[in-house]
Amino acid sequence: IAGITQAPTSQILAAGRRMTLRCTQDMRHNAMYWYRQDLGLGLRLIHYSNTAGTTGKGEVPDGYSVSRANTDDFPLTLASAVPSQTSVYFCASSDSASGGTDTQYFGPGTRLTVL
Amino acid sequence: GQNIDQPTEMTATEGAIVQINCTYQTSGFNGLFWYQQHAGEAPTFLSYNVLDGLEEKGRFSSFLSRSKGYSYLLLKELQMKDSASYLCAPPRRAGNNRKLIWGLGTSLAVNP
Repeated sequence: IAGITQAPTSQILAAGRRMTLRCTQDMRHNAMYWYRQDLGLGLRLIHYSNTAGTTGKGEVPDGYSVSRANTDDFPLTLASAVPSQTSVYFCASSDSASGGTDTQYFGPGTRLTVL
Repeated sequence: GQNIDQPTEMTATEGAIVQINCTYQTSGFNGLFWYQQHAGEAPTFLSYNVLDGLEEKGRFSSFLSRSKGYSYLLLKELQMKDSASYLCAPPRRAGNNRKLIWGLGTSLAVNP
């Protein structure tokens, strides 16, 4: 692994189903983020984690949950998917949450369609 | 994006120079990022300005004026591969955290 990876690449999901989007980074970054990107709305922060063991809510957290059991992994779970969660989801990581340059590095994204 | 203003679309010719402007209102501000995003791909880091002035990096330069809430990205010797969306992202202070806020981006089309 080099950088940050996401799985699956794309998924079609029936409404009401549970789904976990996976994100793994090998850069030993402290902070990780989940965004959704929708046409006309730009990148919106769903949840973030400043360091392993901690998480926080972003702008649009409802319907999503996250966990950060270790440094490398930051899965995003949709407990009961709804069509409005159809979007492209990006995971990102940065070396520092509160200082430094905070340059964020993005995974390739997961394109999710909820029918 | 939240209080971030960028032109929605721009068109330029291969070999030319284009300037993409970004104005913003934020608090607890320190620095500003520019990212490039090709269609169907993830955003990738272009530049970071922490102080006022011009930062040059090859064909791309970025300028920041913190007091005016203004930045621009300058792309020289445009190539077809520069056709992409360019996102302006100033940080904001959220409690003890520092999070980026993202503009909607400027879609640049480079024509031959």
